[in-house]
Amino acid sequence: DAGVIQSPRHEVTEMGQEVTLRCKPISGHNSLFWYRQTMMRGLELLIYFNNNVPIDDSGMPEDRFSAKMPNASFSTLKIQPSEPRDSAVYFCASSLDGTSGRFQYFGPGTRLLVL
Amino acid sequence: SQQGEEDPQALSIQEGENATMNCSYKTSINNLQWYRQNSGRGLVHLILIRSNEREKHSGRLRVTLDTSKKSSSLLITASRAADTASYFCATVSGNTPLVFGKGTRLSVIA
Repeated sequence: DAGVIQSPRHEVTEMGQEVTLRCKPISGHNSLFWYRQTMMRGLELLIYFNNNVPIDDSGMPEDRFSAKMPNASFSTLKIQPSEPRDSAVYFCASSLDGTSGRFQYFGPGTRLLVL
Repeated sequence: SQQGEEDPQALSIQEGENATMNCSYKTSINNLQWYRQNSGRGLVHLILIRSNEREKHSGRLRVTLDTSKKSSSLLITASRAADTASYFCATVSGNTPLVFGKGTRLSVIA
């Protein structure tokens, strides 16, 4: 079992550039979550999907952020245009059922630095 | 808004000592979960305790839950240097997904 796979692991970009983060959930999991982690704000849920459908995106900071899940094995989080305050570690997690209280399995994260 | 709040924010102990971390939450829950995060890594689930359970064990871990006080504690016995990590509690309420606290940073000194 490969676990949750995220790419890239590190991203350095300049303000104004588009950033795309990718996630492959564990096969068979039907819930996928995107989180952002910073020292100041801790771990924040940005958006989650059930069966490829976005259920709650109230955590997405603003319109510059968008997320898609075109199929059960792939999701993207896009920031356009990026700003220095977007610098953080972005985690993707998956679970068998997002709201039944089952464990979530986290990927290794993407460390984003926007200059 | 964050549901769980861990206490203390940071804890430093000697190897072999026990480490206790606490979590308080605000609303009724279905279950409460504890996760560990090593530096530079993703979170890893440790243990889940349901709202009708009071205590649960897993190896050197012991979790208690007091729903009347809306609090939980995680005890790590006979700590090792490898236990150095951040520990998070997360709660499940109704049909909402996990809500994580800000974590306790544990340092175990050899």
